[in-house]
Amino acid sequence: EIVMTQSPATLSVFPGERATLSCRASQSVSSNLAWYQQKPGQGPRLLIYGASTRATGIPARFSGSGSGTEFTLTISSLQSEDFAVYYCHQYNNWPPGTFGQGTKVDVK
Amino acid sequence: EVQLVESGGVVVQPGGSLRLSCAASGFTFDEYTMHWVRQVPGKGLEWVSLVTRDGGSTFYADSVKGRFTISRDNSKDSLSLQMNSLRTEDTALYFCAKEKSKLFDYWGQGTLVTVSS
Repeated sequence: EIVMTQSPATLSVFPGERATLSCRASQSVSSNLAWYQQKPGQGPRLLIYGASTRATGIPARFSGSGSGTEFTLTISSLQSEDFAVYYCHQYNNWPPGTFGQGTKVDVK
Repeated sequence: EVQLVESGGVVVQPGGSLRLSCAASGFTFDEYTMHWVRQVPGKGLEWVSLVTRDGGSTFYADSVKGRFTISRDNSKDSLSLQMNSLRTEDTALYFCAKEKSKLFDYWGQGTLVTVSS
């Protein structure tokens, strides 16, 4: 099983600042990497797929990069609605792929 | 608008059984593989099971294999998860999710299953 490791576990950021989240795979997943956002009381929402492609309706302040085993999600200027938990998910080994343990982005 | 609405989560004793349901709307249900994913409160996401478009193929996580059964009724746009021999470690929020090209593009709000004596 491919293990996905996210860092940091919690990221404290001022509104308007940039946030950078990391995800590492235990072996190469090529570009088969997605990012999801989850807010309290809600199911996750797809943000990024193919490591760097924004899903429909996702604002341009969200960007993804990386390939192989190292991936990054960047939120260029945090808005109030962006404080949430973010999960990476590899779908190179399918089914079902594996999720990271999540990074919580909270207000500094 | 795509909607996925889960139901059926309750408190059940270890060894008991439960059936979860997911009502789908806003898309052509029989064109998509559907999944169940669970989340222990405050923890991460764990994939549970999938069923292909026509219900002909199913897959399960090792942790639930032999105890859970996924099914779908395309005539009613609904997805189900029959959960038997429940364990305390099955306590979680259960989401149904629509798949598009190996991505979970829509999720429900979840239904809470608590296994406790």
